[in-house]
Amino acid sequence: GESVGLHLPTLSVQEGDNSIINCAYSNSASDYFIWYKQESGKGPQFIIDIRSNMDKRQGQRVTVLLNKTVKHLSLQIAATQPGDSAVYFCAVSQGGNTPLVFGKGTRLSVIA
Amino acid sequence: KAGVTQTPRYLIKTRGQQVTLSCSPISGHRSVSWYQQTPGQGLQFLFEYFSETQRNKGNFPGRFSGRQFSNSRSEMNVSTLELGDSALYLCASSLALTGLETQYFGPGTRLLVL
Repeated sequence: GESVGLHLPTLSVQEGDNSIINCAYSNSASDYFIWYKQESGKGPQFIIDIRSNMDKRQGQRVTVLLNKTVKHLSLQIAATQPGDSAVYFCAVSQGGNTPLVFGKGTRLSVIA
Repeated sequence: KAGVTQTPRYLIKTRGQQVTLSCSPISGHRSVSWYQQTPGQGLQFLFEYFSETQRNKGNFPGRFSGRQFSNSRSEMNVSTLELGDSALYLCASSLALTGLETQYFGPGTRLLVL
């Protein structure tokens, strides 16, 4: 099976700084990785994904890095804004229509 | 394109009752997955339906069941409610063409069991 852990349940950053949220997974066969953002009272919102054949993928102000050697995934948010305050989850799948396994989430607080 | 919708948004039930939650996926999406979210356990996978068939199932008791209709809309049912069933129930839909598509979540149904 798969288990997904994280390094920090909470993270506080100053507005304008960069944020890094980390995630670790256990199964080397995992093939698909997604980051979600969940604001209070809402469902998780897709941020960015990456396949196992890539090491890095960039979106608008966000970058996901995948290190398959140590089974580690990170989400970098550039120039963090107050609107980025939320809980961030990583989710991992082995593909082939297997279910996503979610980490417990990191609560990001942005200090103005 | 409309997102995933879930009804009702909030629900209060008492122990022993049963409840049915509804999910309408994004148009064209054939897969619907259900999750239970609690502060202690996080997001836990309940089951996934694809083309009206349950394709995957999580580690939940048989009190939790679901179904999917021909228009891809899905319902989940919880019978004999327990206090521990209080949670946010989320559904997510995906195209499910390659097995590596993103799942898009609805806003959830918050269930409180008294």
